[in-house]
Amino acid sequence: RKEVEQDPGPFNVPEGATVAFNCTYSNSASQSFFWYRQDCRKEPKLLMSVYSSGNEDGRFTAQLNRASQYISLLIRDSKLSDSATYLCVVNRAYNFNKFYFGSGTKLNVKP
Amino acid sequence: NAGVMQNPRHLVRRRGQEARLRCSPMKGHSHVYWYRQLPEEGLKFMVYLQKENIIDESGMPKERFSAEFPKEGPSILRIQQVVRGDSAAYFCASSPSASGRATQVGEQFFGPGTRLTVL
Repeated sequence: RKEVEQDPGPFNVPEGATVAFNCTYSNSASQSFFWYRQDCRKEPKLLMSVYSSGNEDGRFTAQLNRASQYISLLIRDSKLSDSATYLCVVNRAYNFNKFYFGSGTKLNVKP
Repeated sequence: NAGVMQNPRHLVRRRGQEARLRCSPMKGHSHVYWYRQLPEEGLKFMVYLQKENIIDESGMPKERFSAEFPKEGPSILRIQQVVRGDSAAYFCASSPSASGRATQVGEQFFGPGTRLTVL
């Protein structure tokens, strides 16, 4: 079983739509959680960290459910510039500092 | 504070040649990670290093690939006798060191990648 699983998509949505991605992780000892964004032919960049209490940054909301071992990302009022691949990442730092990446969910926002 | 630096950004090799990819982590970061991304595919973990130590090389192909992170200087990913299937983007990332009981050690920071083309 993969450490981190994501629906690869693509999610094709119109501008202004609300879209949600989920991600599940297999190891309950995972400690830190992140969403990264990767544009075509570019390096991944941190979008936001995910905290147990949930957190919001503008149009983006991230949630963590430790009991069910899933992480979600909600994007409201989608913009064309949101088109990218979104990577779910989990981290376990008690034994060195290992990161586990999902394979990514592709989002296409259409005019 | 300069970010993660990788060079070269683009590298062209003929089959059978060697490729050397360099990565300088962010200042103060002692952990380096290498990933490979084939065209239209996801990021695949290759190797995790600290200074002078390989922590996890479970993602490295058994032959032709090696990595090091010496006490001084950048981390090097070396591919010997390259084949066409090695053509990919190779990303390096760095993170700060983790204490034994750290619960939030921050994210990885990625370099711009080296795009390797094997002719």
